[in-house]
Amino acid sequence: EVQLVESGGALVQPGGSLRLSCAASGFTFSTSWMNWVRQAPGKGLEWVAKIKPDGSQTYYVDSVKGRFTISRDNAKNSLFFQMNSLRAEDTAVYYCARDFSYEQFDYWGQGVLVTVSS
Amino acid sequence: QSALTQPASVSGSPGQSITISCTGTSSDVGAYNYVSWYQQHPGKPPKLMIFDVNSRPSGVPNRFSGSKSGNTASLTISGLQAEDEADYYCNSYGSSDTAFGTGTKVTVL
Repeated sequence: EVQLVESGGALVQPGGSLRLSCAASGFTFSTSWMNWVRQAPGKGLEWVAKIKPDGSQTYYVDSVKGRFTISRDNAKNSLFFQMNSLRAEDTAVYYCARDFSYEQFDYWGQGVLVTVSS
Repeated sequence: QSALTQPASVSGSPGQSITISCTGTSSDVGAYNYVSWYQQHPGKPPKLMIFDVNSRPSGVPNRFSGSKSGNTASLTISGLQAEDEADYYCNSYGSSDTAFGTGTKVTVL
């Protein structure tokens, strides 16, 4: 059974940092492009970042460039998301998702809530 | 890449057919056959319903179908059922950043 389990969500103050994790099982993680997709309360889906299977290339939406870093540990089947200089507009449910073919996502985690507020 | 444009809402009665459009450009929807559709119920993660414009993953009912014409892709739900009430998002491979559609709320009357 395929599972993606996110953790690390929390309430954090503006300017603070947070590290999300996503534990993968049931598929070959080491050969999969992995992504973070977020959804602000009551809003639509927004792709945020992706990482190549070997971790050698990463891509980000403009609004998080320089603040967020996606990384992975293939030996531990884990995806990470380091979020620094958090802003109120980063408040959202964050999903990890697998891209199985040309930015099409077949596996999704249950999501983790990040709230940025003072 | 800008978000793909979808109607905000579509509604239909049980048993009817509805179609949701997803309008992009000649750089994304019009250029590639990598359009996908996702269903999302409240409080749940998105679920892949259609990939490669018109392919269904295992387990997705065949009343869900996809198509494309020019720069516009479409998702059709035939024989609408109560459990189809949800938000639907499209996505297309394109020339720059990944961008989902604006989302469509489907209401079963």
